[in-house]
Amino acid sequence: IAGITQAPTSQILAAGRRMTLRCTQDMRHNAMYWYRQDLGLGLRLIHYSNTAGTTGKGEVPDGYSVSRANTDDFPLTLASAVPSQTSVYFCASSAQGNTDTQYFGPGTRLTVL
Amino acid sequence: GQNIDQPTEMTATEGAIVQINCTYQTSGFNGLFWYQQHAGEAPTFLSYNVLDGLEEKGRFSSFLSRSKGYSYLLLKELQMKDSASYLCAVTDSNYQLIWGAGTKLIIKP
Repeated sequence: IAGITQAPTSQILAAGRRMTLRCTQDMRHNAMYWYRQDLGLGLRLIHYSNTAGTTGKGEVPDGYSVSRANTDDFPLTLASAVPSQTSVYFCASSAQGNTDTQYFGPGTRLTVL
Repeated sequence: GQNIDQPTEMTATEGAIVQINCTYQTSGFNGLFWYQQHAGEAPTFLSYNVLDGLEEKGRFSSFLSRSKGYSYLLLKELQMKDSASYLCAVTDSNYQLIWGAGTKLIIKP
């Protein structure tokens, strides 16, 4: 692994289903982030984690949950997917926080039908 | 509220120079980032400004005026591969990162 990876690359999901998007980084960064990106709206922060064991809510957290059991992994779970959660999801990490460069994973394209 | 404004789209010619502006209204300031995002790909870091002035990095330069709440990204000797979206983001006084919607830059031969 080099940098930050996400899985799956893309997914089509039926409404009401549960889905976990995976994110792993090997840079030993303390901070990690989940964004969604929709056309014309730019990046919107869903949840973040400043260090292993802690998480926080971003701008659009409803319908999503995260955990940070260790430094490397930061999964995002949709408990019961809805069509409005159709988006491209990016995971990112930074050494410490929001004055450090964020490194992004390749993204997951999620379609909820 | 907090806001970052960028033009939605710009067009420029290969070999020319283009300036992409970003104005921000945030609660305090702790730095400004520019990221590049090619279509279908992840954003990648271009530059970071925390003090007033110009930061030059090869063909790309970024300028900041904190008193005016203003930054620009200057791209010289444009190449077709520079066609991308350019995202401006500001860290506020609470160390929250506020993202602009991005400027789509189209390069024509």
